[in-house]
Amino acid sequence: GAVVSQHPSRVICKSGTSVKIECRSLDFQATTMFWYRQFPKQSLMLMATSNEGSKATYEQGVEKDKFLINHASLTLSTLTVTSAHPEDSSFYICSARDGTRGRPYEQYFGPGTRLTVT
Amino acid sequence: GQNIDQPTEMTATEGAIVQINCTYQTSGFNGLFWYQQHAGEAPTFLSYNVLDGLEEKGRFSSFLSRSKGYSYLLLKELQMKDSASYLCAVRRSGGYNKLIFGAGTRLAVHP
Repeated sequence: GAVVSQHPSRVICKSGTSVKIECRSLDFQATTMFWYRQFPKQSLMLMATSNEGSKATYEQGVEKDKFLINHASLTLSTLTVTSAHPEDSSFYICSARDGTRGRPYEQYFGPGTRLTVT
Repeated sequence: GQNIDQPTEMTATEGAIVQINCTYQTSGFNGLFWYQQHAGEAPTFLSYNVLDGLEEKGRFSSFLSRSKGYSYLLLKELQMKDSASYLCAVRRSGGYNKLIFGAGTRLAVHP
């Protein structure tokens, strides 16, 4: 149980285009989802927190107009990187929290999406 | 402010024991996690400590001292597959259970 998927696993896009990454909780309802970014040999940096049906809360320094987050249902959140630039190339990881069972403090991580902007 | 420190790299021998330390300074502490992450993969949950003391789970144990702002992850009977990064993460109190991650410790296990 507690499986989180991400799609796509890898994506290459051209500079100036937009890319959408999906995060799904497959067997539980995710009341809260988190989006992280990880550069090579660095740790995970929290970008934003999203709750179903409400606006995402962005961490300081993260541009909300560039990284659009939509948490449309209890099982799906999307991150859209708009007008991508090479410096946006990174490993994007989502996690989800199940507030209805077990250990609500625990976050379940998706497998990550490797974005390369050329 | 918040600060989480871990050693950058460690090496150990197969079959041995290794201890990875983590010190933290953060406002609103509400628990500490350890995650394992292999290169190019998502982190996987190892342990959670919210009270002082030792939590043991098979070959892995985690210790917490809240008064000292200190935790360690102990790995016993090391195997080659334990070569990975180990991330210490502090849960902030307040809404959403945010996790603040340390930079991670890259562990290399040698035969």
